[in-house]
Amino acid sequence: DAKTTQPNSMESNEEEPVHLPCNHSTISGTDYIHWYRQLPSQGPEYVIHGLTSNVNNRMASLAIAEDRKSSTLILHRATLRDAAVYYCILRRVNTGKLIFGQGTTLQVKP
Amino acid sequence: NAGVMQNPRHLVRRRGQEARLRCSPMKGHSHVYWYRQLPEEGLKFMVYLQKENIIDESGMPKERFSAEFPKEGPSILRIQQVVRGDSAAYFCASSPLLETDTQYFGPGTRLTVL
Repeated sequence: DAKTTQPNSMESNEEEPVHLPCNHSTISGTDYIHWYRQLPSQGPEYVIHGLTSNVNNRMASLAIAEDRKSSTLILHRATLRDAAVYYCILRRVNTGKLIFGQGTTLQVKP
Repeated sequence: NAGVMQNPRHLVRRRGQEARLRCSPMKGHSHVYWYRQLPEEGLKFMVYLQKENIIDESGMPKERFSAEFPKEGPSILRIQQVVRGDSAAYFCASSPLLETDTQYFGPGTRLTVL
């Protein structure tokens, strides 16, 4: 399984945008880029996923580099409720399991 | 549409006892996944099941752990003769027909082994 690299932690101020980076230099053509987050004492929650093109949904945006070796999750206006561990995961097509790394712990300051 | 349900939410067992963790997937979901999160660690995949079939058990410990997803009823993760190292949060997730669909996670069962 291809590996992802994320910073251990990041800080943001409330109401400001947050850019969470992820490196995945060994990504293969059949790997989708998924982002999940885990709030304290809760199960993981799906955020967004993409293959090659940038993606937007109500929660966030996903910007994927042209060579697909990196991606960035963008929270447009961070709130205190966005404080969580964010996981960037490569998921090969037709593979059920998710391989979680250590993720990035996001702190949001009021 | 209710989310993924897990029970119990908290379970305390003494060493050597059995632990049974239950997971009811979202309505219409036929794929179930179990993950374990040890204290201060990330989530680790354990097993992937469809109704009456184990599809991928590559993350299951070789002994004492088993999982099933019967035709009727919830999925069960069973841990026999628990040891202190089994203390962890166990999360279940479900997805619809396609195995590559988004996984929806339950709130987890926190197992404490005394």
